[in-house]
Amino acid sequence: DAGITQSPRYKITETGRQVTLMCHQTWSHSYMFWYRQDLGHGLRLIYYSAAADITDKGEVPDGYVVSRSKTENFPLTLESATRSQTSVYFCASSDDLAGTTSWEKLFFGSGTQLSVL
Amino acid sequence: KQEVTQIPAALSVPEGENLVLNCSFTDSAIYNLQWFRQDPGKGLTSLLLIQSSQREQTSGRLNASLDKSSGRSTLYIAASQPGDSATYLCAVFNYGGATNKLIFGTGTLLAVQP
Repeated sequence: DAGITQSPRYKITETGRQVTLMCHQTWSHSYMFWYRQDLGHGLRLIYYSAAADITDKGEVPDGYVVSRSKTENFPLTLESATRSQTSVYFCASSDDLAGTTSWEKLFFGSGTQLSVL
Repeated sequence: KQEVTQIPAALSVPEGENLVLNCSFTDSAIYNLQWFRQDPGKGLTSLLLIQSSQREQTSGRLNASLDKSSGRSTLYIAASQPGDSATYLCAVFNYGGATNKLIFGTGTLLAVQP
């Protein structure tokens, strides 16, 4: 199906384990984002990518690693999971950002609910 | 640092009522503002996007306004329906800054009672 998909939908892991959350989009959007959503903090940007092989830190990047070898995929890895990383993670994509007259809307995946025990 | 606030945090109205959700931001140098809807256990769906040069945008029963100088936006929902029940978030896009591409408010949880 076309769109932006995240997997897994739910994940339970233990402290110290490595976890990778997957994100795939079929629109060939240039920009992709990872957000985490927590009560009291709203949505916070972890990492974003402007194109394949181009990534940059967001507001809360510590403890996370991203890669973007292909335009359509943007996996997020927690190298050594901590309880503070228990959250709902959202991937999003967009065709363009500021600087053009055709700024596009942001499209979100359904999220991954991660629990770190 | 840009801060986005949404008041009220929760709102309950009877079906058919017109309602207004509020969003305020501290830095008026925004590029645009978006309103999103989030259903329980789901991702966000973009409802309306207002460019900084625009005053309002309309889509069906939804109307969003933007007053950059005062740092405020409102989302007006006409003739509310139970299907409108969801969390509504606003987000502003700021000029420049590597870590502040899109700043979200914490949302307003709307319940429309049948």
